[in-house]
Amino acid sequence: DAMVIQNPRYQVTQFGKPVTLSCSQTLNHNVMYWYQQKSSQAPKLLFHYYDKDFNNEADTPDNFQSRRPNTSFCFLDIRSPGLGDAAMYLCATSRDGRVGGTQYFGPGTRLTVL
Amino acid sequence: AQSVTQLDSQVPVFEEAPVELRCNYSSSVSVYLFWYVQYPNQGLQLLLKYLSGSTLVKGINGFEAEFNKSQTSFHLRKPSVHISDTAEYFCAVSDPNFGNEKLTFGTGTRLTIIP
Repeated sequence: DAMVIQNPRYQVTQFGKPVTLSCSQTLNHNVMYWYQQKSSQAPKLLFHYYDKDFNNEADTPDNFQSRRPNTSFCFLDIRSPGLGDAAMYLCATSRDGRVGGTQYFGPGTRLTVL
Repeated sequence: AQSVTQLDSQVPVFEEAPVELRCNYSSSVSVYLFWYVQYPNQGLQLLLKYLSGSTLVKGINGFEAEFNKSQTSFHLRKPSVHISDTAEYFCAVSDPNFGNEKLTFGTGTRLTIIP
């Protein structure tokens, strides 16, 4: 089945130690998104890639970076995680970024910062 | 900026009873509206969406939602729930004039089905 895969499902890191979260997709979609979801809060868009074009949300901290080496993979890098970065990180894809289109989500990676 | 309000953070319902999950959005201009469901240990999955046309939208698993422009609401309903409907439900909105499909989500409603 075509799907969005996130690895690992659970990640523990230390305060200030860089961490990378991984997302892959077999849907061959053009657009990939990263959302941050803190406990009892709405998922919040961090950035997205339309093909190779990177689109950062205005309020996404510089501590968060992303890479998309090819259509299938997208990475979220947190350069110096703080305690406030503990959250669920959701990856999603969409076919073409058309307004009204459907986004397909992975199961998420829960990040714990010690 | 758009915002979405889901007033009920948790809704317990007996099995086979009807349920309504409430969603209100901030803008009075044209919007696209979505309901996503997140089952335990899974990603979000689209239940239904309203883009235009009939204000009553039918989705998967027997769910439906009604777009009410005057009330700026998009409440989700199901006439008879099952244990398998236990999940978190997110309402979301996108602005067709914004040029892309950025979604703004509500904080979610956790639906618990009581046997």
